[in-house]
Amino acid sequence: NAGVMQNPRHLVRRRGQEARLRCSPMKGHSHVYWYRQLPEEGLKFMVYLQKENIIDESGMPKERFSAEFPKEGPSILRIQQVVRGDSAAYFCASSRDRLYEQFFGPGTRLTVL
Amino acid sequence: GESVGLHLPTLSVQEGDNSIINCAYSNSASDYFIWYKQESGKGPQFIIDIRSNMDKRQGQRVTVLLNKTVKHLSLQIAATQPGDSAVYFCAENGGGGSNYKLTFGKGTLLTVNP
Repeated sequence: NAGVMQNPRHLVRRRGQEARLRCSPMKGHSHVYWYRQLPEEGLKFMVYLQKENIIDESGMPKERFSAEFPKEGPSILRIQQVVRGDSAAYFCASSRDRLYEQFFGPGTRLTVL
Repeated sequence: GESVGLHLPTLSVQEGDNSIINCAYSNSASDYFIWYKQESGKGPQFIIDIRSNMDKRQGQRVTVLLNKTVKHLSLQIAATQPGDSAVYFCAENGGGGSNYKLTFGKGTLLTVNP
């Protein structure tokens, strides 16, 4: 039973480029969450999605960041015109329902040069 | 000069000793708490959880204690092993309508010396 999958594991972008991070939830899970982690800090909630719906994006910056979870395929976190401050580890988690237990993927480490 | 930056609380124990990691949470409305283990370069791994209607829960070699009066959570690891070395985070769910939104503490770095 495969866990949460994320790719790429490492992503390097230059300032101004776009970053696309992908997340495939665990089998049977239809709830996806994105978190961001800066060095030596805990994870910070960004957005919560169900299939084709954004439920809560209160933790996501209003500009340049967007997320989707289409009917088919992985969830995508998209960062446009990246800046150095976007450098962080981005984790995706999934759950069977909105109540509680979230399983995390290995993360994507984004480095902006 | 003065150094600037964040430093994780650290706990160093000998192999075979018991470890206790503490966490203060902030939201009195939270009704669900989780401990995660994060090894270097990996995602958080679920260890154990507890709901607010309990004050203690035991797993395999781990015990979580919840004190709602002082908003304190602790993780006890029995017979700590080198493989337990990692950063440990507590997380709370905030309760209410946003109970899916986990809020993580800063983490504690556990180092187990062989």
